[in-house]
Amino acid sequence: KAGVTQTPRYLIKTRGQQVTLSCSPISGHRSVSWYQQTPGQGLQFLFEYFSETQRNKGNFPGRFSGRQFSNSRSEMNVSTLELGDSALYLCASSLGTGFRNQPQHFGDGTRLSIL
Amino acid sequence: SQQGEEDPQALSIQEGENATMNCSYKTSINNLQWYRQNSGRGLVHLILIRSNEREKHSGRLRVTLDTSKKSSSLLITASRAADTASYFCATDARGGADGLTFGKGTHLIIQP
Repeated sequence: KAGVTQTPRYLIKTRGQQVTLSCSPISGHRSVSWYQQTPGQGLQFLFEYFSETQRNKGNFPGRFSGRQFSNSRSEMNVSTLELGDSALYLCASSLGTGFRNQPQHFGDGTRLSIL
Repeated sequence: SQQGEEDPQALSIQEGENATMNCSYKTSINNLQWYRQNSGRGLVHLILIRSNEREKHSGRLRVTLDTSKKSSSLLITASRAADTASYFCATDARGGADGLTFGKGTHLIIQP
């Protein structure tokens, strides 16, 4: 069974641009969560989608948005990029609605660098 | 703020020794999970322990949970070089709408 796939693996952007990151969950998994990982703040929850609906959202500005498609694939968008958005963005999938009490399966992330 | 805080921040031991990492958290939880992250990779789930459980084993891993002290420990026995990684605890705050809340991790180095 293929794991969680995130594309692209690396991305370089400049301030003010926007970016879209993609995540394909494990086949059969319907919940997709996104996390931002930085050396200073560690791992922080961005949002979670289940059946194309955003169910939970972390404390991030509205520049961070996401969506989920009918095949459970998810995309995350960041607009008006800032230097502080440089981070490893991780996607995780799990089977059902109770994503917080189930093991999360993570992809290897997208390393976003803002110049 | 971080819900979970791991201790120590870094740990270096010899291969074959046991490694113990601790995690403290602030609010009541439904469950606590431990994850491993190798450099430049995603997180790998190790163990999930529910709030009504006190101890759980998986291979060379042993996790304990003390809800009265709001703390958990991860013990890796007979460590191997391949265990070198960062280890994170993650909590699911009871009644919380947020996702999993991670600590900043313990960086474990196994010296061959």
